[in-house]
Amino acid sequence: AQKVTQAQTEISVVEKEDVTLDCVYETRDTTYYLFWYKQPPSGELVFLIRRNSFDEQNEISGRYSWNFQKSTSSFNFTITASQVVDSAVYFCAFKADRGSTLGRLYFGRGTQLTVWP
Amino acid sequence: GAVVSQHPSWVICKSGTSVKIECRSLDFQATTMFWYRQFPKQSLMLMATSNEGSKATYEQGVEKDKFLINHASLTLSTLTVTSAHPEDSSFYICSASPGLAGPRDTQYFGPGTRLTVL
Repeated sequence: AQKVTQAQTEISVVEKEDVTLDCVYETRDTTYYLFWYKQPPSGELVFLIRRNSFDEQNEISGRYSWNFQKSTSSFNFTITASQVVDSAVYFCAFKADRGSTLGRLYFGRGTQLTVWP
Repeated sequence: GAVVSQHPSWVICKSGTSVKIECRSLDFQATTMFWYRQFPKQSLMLMATSNEGSKATYEQGVEKDKFLINHASLTLSTLTVTSAHPEDSSFYICSASPGLAGPRDTQYFGPGTRLTVL
């Protein structure tokens, strides 16, 4: 069975601080995808990144960076120099690429990030 | 590209009435659509997966007679909440996948529909 754990329920930081959101997953699949989504107060899920299981390179996009470590089954997300607009719920998600679970996303519980001015 | 719309964005109805929510893929054909519900401060819960032209596959614990899903075309899926009750009040989100026509690992999400049943 697939499982995504986001142990941090809520995080509060002050603007310009760096913050890391943790994501740990469990699977027996060898081929899979990992995602991060942002859900601002408006409710719409905003896609941030997709990473496949064969690509362990870290990725940086502006103030966002992701650290994928297969050895620890983790896919952590870091926001550098956080801003108030980063305040949102962030979801980590997993998708297998085989069998009956093809296409289905498994979401973590989400981490509420609040950035104070 | 890859825009998914939902209509209505919010709806308030009386207990016992039925509510239909539409999910449309605007610029691609969605062979598969997913319906989720989300309670306040909780994660997304998959309700069902629908493939165009076939019956939806419901997750365990989701009443298929209460949550009717129709995926009649490659750009439209509907979710009808029948005989709605206050406990059905929730945020309903759809997502669409282009299937083999696009990156198979990609789901595009709609903006959600907030249902309040009085």
